[in-house]
Amino acid sequence: LAKTTQPISMDSYEGQEVNITCSHNNIATNDYITWYQQFPSQGPRFIIQGYKTKVTNEVASLFIPADRKSSTLSLPRVSLSDTAVYYCPNAGNNRKLIWGLGTSLAVNP
Amino acid sequence: GAGVSQSPRYKVAKRGQDVALRCDPISGHVSLFWYQQALGQGPEFLTYFQNEAQLDKSGLPSDRFFAERPEGSVSTLKIQRTQQEDSAVYLCASSLQRDPFQETQYFGPGTRLLVL
Repeated sequence: LAKTTQPISMDSYEGQEVNITCSHNNIATNDYITWYQQFPSQGPRFIIQGYKTKVTNEVASLFIPADRKSSTLSLPRVSLSDTAVYYCPNAGNNRKLIWGLGTSLAVNP
Repeated sequence: GAGVSQSPRYKVAKRGQDVALRCDPISGHVSLFWYQQALGQGPEFLTYFQNEAQLDKSGLPSDRFFAERPEGSVSTLKIQRTQQEDSAVYLCASSLQRDPFQETQYFGPGTRLLVL
């Protein structure tokens, strides 16, 4: 069973860089790695997606090593509005996305 | 353009009542998913449609749960004889193509169901 493992919670301060790592021990060869952000009372929202190496967009960077067993979401210079839960869902054996508990990021002033 | 919409946003039901939750996916999106999210938990897969075909319903917790997407666009999740353990947020998501594991899923705001 593909299992996603990421820290349950993280604390940071405004202006710092935050790195959240996720393990993908049983990722399938063709699967992409996607990260989502969820605010209270909202559905998850796409942040970034990659297959290997590094991807960067206007809000984050995603680092994926060659073995693709993990990924690291990097949020540069976080602000209070980045306080949210971050998910890196993985595809289970039955081809259903498994979301896990996510990482609850708290950004402090 | 319009995103995924869900209605109602909030629903309070008495135990034993039937409820119907609606999802309007992004126009043209082939795949549609329903998830259940309990407080403090991540979304849990319920069921998946590709156009009007329900390809996977293995996540539905009991035969009281039923989902349909008759014309390949709007979907309805129906819960019969609601129980207190059905209280959760029900999320709908859609994606453009047929491979949900290589594509972004676009989520609606969810319907918060409270069963008293």
